[in-house]
Amino acid sequence: TAGITQAPTSQILAAGRSMTLRCTQDMRHNAMYWYRQDLGLGLRLIHYSNTAGTTGKGEVPDGYSVSRANTDDFPLTLASAVPSQTSVYFCASSEGTGNTEAFFGQGTRLTVV
Amino acid sequence: GQNIDQPTEMTATEGAIVQINCTYQTSGFNGLFWYQQHAGEAPTFLSYNVLDGLEEKGRFSSFLSRSKGYSYLLLKELQMKDSASYLCAVTDSNYQLIWGAGTKLIIKP
Repeated sequence: TAGITQAPTSQILAAGRSMTLRCTQDMRHNAMYWYRQDLGLGLRLIHYSNTAGTTGKGEVPDGYSVSRANTDDFPLTLASAVPSQTSVYFCASSEGTGNTEAFFGQGTRLTVV
Repeated sequence: GQNIDQPTEMTATEGAIVQINCTYQTSGFNGLFWYQQHAGEAPTFLSYNVLDGLEEKGRFSSFLSRSKGYSYLLLKELQMKDSASYLCAVTDSNYQLIWGAGTKLIIKP
């Protein structure tokens, strides 16, 4: 069973370049999320989508954009990367919003140089 | 502001019991989660509490007191594979998850 898949697993990106992190789930979950995880900090929500066709801003949305054209896919785009966006990015999905178990992808380790 | 507090790191001995505490101050409450995260891996779900009391699941139990804004995760019969970070997260009034920074648990033989 695939569950939720992220790509790439890791990436080194030059500052100023753009990049899209891909996320696909096969569980038909309504809600999807993008988090970043930095050492010493909790998971911080970047953007979320409660259902296909809708998106919302999380705690740290600046410099990131998302789209939710269908149920399965939730890509995260960095328009012009900066070193402070160096982090581990996790995509997650859940059947409901906020009070149901979230399933996480394996993460994307992004280094902006 | 919203805040989740957990100890940064704890150490315990294989075969023993350890309790990881979590206190929270959030705008509303719609449930509390515990997740386990091994180094370099994704978080995985352990437990969910929405009512006061103890939820037991094998070697792991989770307790909630909403009046005190407090939860703990109890791990019994510790095994080396339990070495991981344990993340506490609270669902607020907007059904958004607020995450603690996690507690790194080190198990020694």
